[in-house]
Amino acid sequence: SQELEQSPQSLIVQEGKNLTINCTSSKTLYGLYWYKQKYGEGLIFLMMLQKGGEEKSHEKITAKLDEKKQQSSLHITASQPSHAGIYLCGAPYSGAGSYQLTFGKGTKLSVIP
Amino acid sequence: EAGVAQSPRYKIIEKRQSVAFWCNPISGHATLYWYQQILGQGPKLLIQFQNNGVVDDSQLPKDRFSAERLKGVDSTLKIQPAKLEDSAVYLCASSLRGLAGGGEEYFGPGTRLLVL
Repeated sequence: SQELEQSPQSLIVQEGKNLTINCTSSKTLYGLYWYKQKYGEGLIFLMMLQKGGEEKSHEKITAKLDEKKQQSSLHITASQPSHAGIYLCGAPYSGAGSYQLTFGKGTKLSVIP
Repeated sequence: EAGVAQSPRYKIIEKRQSVAFWCNPISGHATLYWYQQILGQGPKLLIQFQNNGVVDDSQLPKDRFSAERLKGVDSTLKIQPAKLEDSAVYLCASSLRGLAGGGEEYFGPGTRLLVL
């Protein structure tokens, strides 16, 4: 089973609408990373959350971490076509030699002008 | 500041052929990662280097994949021989402090491999 589940898998919104993407872990969360990926490109770092209850914002994107629920949410306010892409959450789990990032499958966001 | 560089950007080969990918991390970043991203999936870690030493290669298919990071800077990932299921995007990332140090990973643009 997937260690990190993202929902929804895809999302189509009208420009100007708000939206939320969720990421749920099957293991204890010690932090959570959010990345954005456009087709044919690498991952762009958005935000890192390290403490339970932590909330960070950058421009119109806000991310929160709920350690008790082992969840994180990413909220976009007044979406724009530039927000379109695939949003990936990644959690640092203990690996063979160190912590390693395990990613969800991603949420594909389309914004209709 | 220059980002993570990767080459080539695209590669098409036939099964059983060999292929190599190159990565140049951000200057000063001691930790380097190689990920495999299959279409529709999130990236999966293949190998992690700290300077020129391997920290974690537990998910690297060692019968066909190899990686090295000589001199603790550039890195190469090789597949020999390639299989159809190796078709994916291979991403390189680097980090100043590593995840254990609370650092974030910065990704290159990736190499898109198609095995026919």
